[in-house]
Amino acid sequence: EVQLVESGGGSVQPGGSLRLSCTASGFSFSDHSMNWVRQSPGKGLEWLSYISESGSNIFYADSLRGRFTISRDNAKNSLYLQMNSLRAEDTALYYCVRDQHNALAGHSFDIWGQGTMVSVSS
Amino acid sequence: DVVLTQSPLSLPVTLGQPASISCRSSQSLVLSDGNTYLMWFHQRPGQSPRRLIYKVSNRDSGVPDRFSGSGSGTDFTLRISRVEAEDVGLYYCMQDRYWPLTFGGGTRVEIK
Repeated sequence: EVQLVESGGGSVQPGGSLRLSCTASGFSFSDHSMNWVRQSPGKGLEWLSYISESGSNIFYADSLRGRFTISRDNAKNSLYLQMNSLRAEDTALYYCVRDQHNALAGHSFDIWGQGTMVSVSS
Repeated sequence: DVVLTQSPLSLPVTLGQPASISCRSSQSLVLSDGNTYLMWFHQRPGQSPRRLIYKVSNRDSGVPDRFSGSGSGTDFTLRISRVEAEDVGLYYCMQDRYWPLTFGGGTRVEIK
């Protein structure tokens, strides 16, 4: 079964750090680019970051302002999001999303994990 | 950044009736290859989102043909020809023409 499982969420104080992980199974992880998307409670989706298959191309949402870092380890079938200087507005459900981009179909965003919850509060 | 503005925010519909959601972009989403990179997603309550439509009007595999997408340039529409109970939830447009990628604010579809 094709699956993405996020972990690493939890409660943290403002200014703190967390590292989210996403473990892929059921497909060739190294053949797919990946994204992180978040959803604040009761609010909409926000795209955060993209990393290409090899990790050579990376993009971020401007709102992150250098606080978050995406990375991957293809040998471990894993995607990561290092989050520093966390703020209350970073409280959200964080999704790991599989991607594959081509001119025929654009970005696929075809497999989503169930998400891991991050709560930033004092 | 490209801003996508969806309307309405909330859409009460009667089962079996049509529904329409608008998505307007602050910039043209046409790429030099002639393609327009606008997608639609559906998120059922308590579930992760699922892509319905890519490149404005192409349905993903398994998406019922009652869903259709249309539009060009900066104005796009998702239509449901006859709303079914399983269609409730949040709908989002998303542009994949420019970095950073951006989502619309979402439209909640509910049954009257």
